[in-house]
Amino acid sequence: QKEVEQNSGPLSVPEGAIASLNCTYSDRGSQSFFWYRQYSGKSPELIMSIYSNGDKEDGRFTAQLNKASQYVSLLIRDSQPSDSATYLCAPTGLYSGAGSYQLTFGKGTKLSVIP
Amino acid sequence: EAQVTQNPRYLITVTGKKLTVTCSQNMNHEYMSWYRQDPGLGLRQIYYSMNVEVTDKGDVPEGYKVSRKEKRNFPLILESPSPNQTSLYFCASSLTRTGSNQPQHFGDGTRLSIL
Repeated sequence: QKEVEQNSGPLSVPEGAIASLNCTYSDRGSQSFFWYRQYSGKSPELIMSIYSNGDKEDGRFTAQLNKASQYVSLLIRDSQPSDSATYLCAPTGLYSGAGSYQLTFGKGTKLSVIP
Repeated sequence: EAQVTQNPRYLITVTGKKLTVTCSQNMNHEYMSWYRQDPGLGLRQIYYSMNVEVTDKGDVPEGYKVSRKEKRNFPLILESPSPNQTSLYFCASSLTRTGSNQPQHFGDGTRLSIL
């Protein structure tokens, strides 16, 4: 069973601060790492993807990956109240062309940005 | 517009009355999947399909059926719904081929209540 662990939160940060969201995973075959944002009652939407060790920046978002430690994180700079949502981590392996290809999500971290 | 369309968005029904939730995507994606989301349990995969006529069980397949007769459609069937199937359901699709994977695109969700 592939495990994806996220702190459920809620993580509360003041407006303008940096929010740091963490995710650890058990499947060493994971090659692609996706972060989704989900507002309450809405569907998940992709906000970041990262495939290589190191940092990837996109606007106020930075994803960090360390495959040796099986750890991926998401930093949100200058947090805004509109960032208040649940953030889902989804480590994903490459499809081999045969066999099972189940996809697993973390349970998510709920972020609350306080004005 | 690229999208995944689920219907209905909301449904209240009674125990034992067969129902079908439809899902259609217009992106020519091979991979389609159904998830249920419950408080504290996160997104759990019910069934997935790698392509036409190819389906496989996810983590929580009991009580559900699926079919993939056409590439664009992936309906979820509850033959005899029970109250423990009350949940928020999401259909998702992705362009997934051998040696690669892509993030999933989600439908808007179906909130299902079984009385």
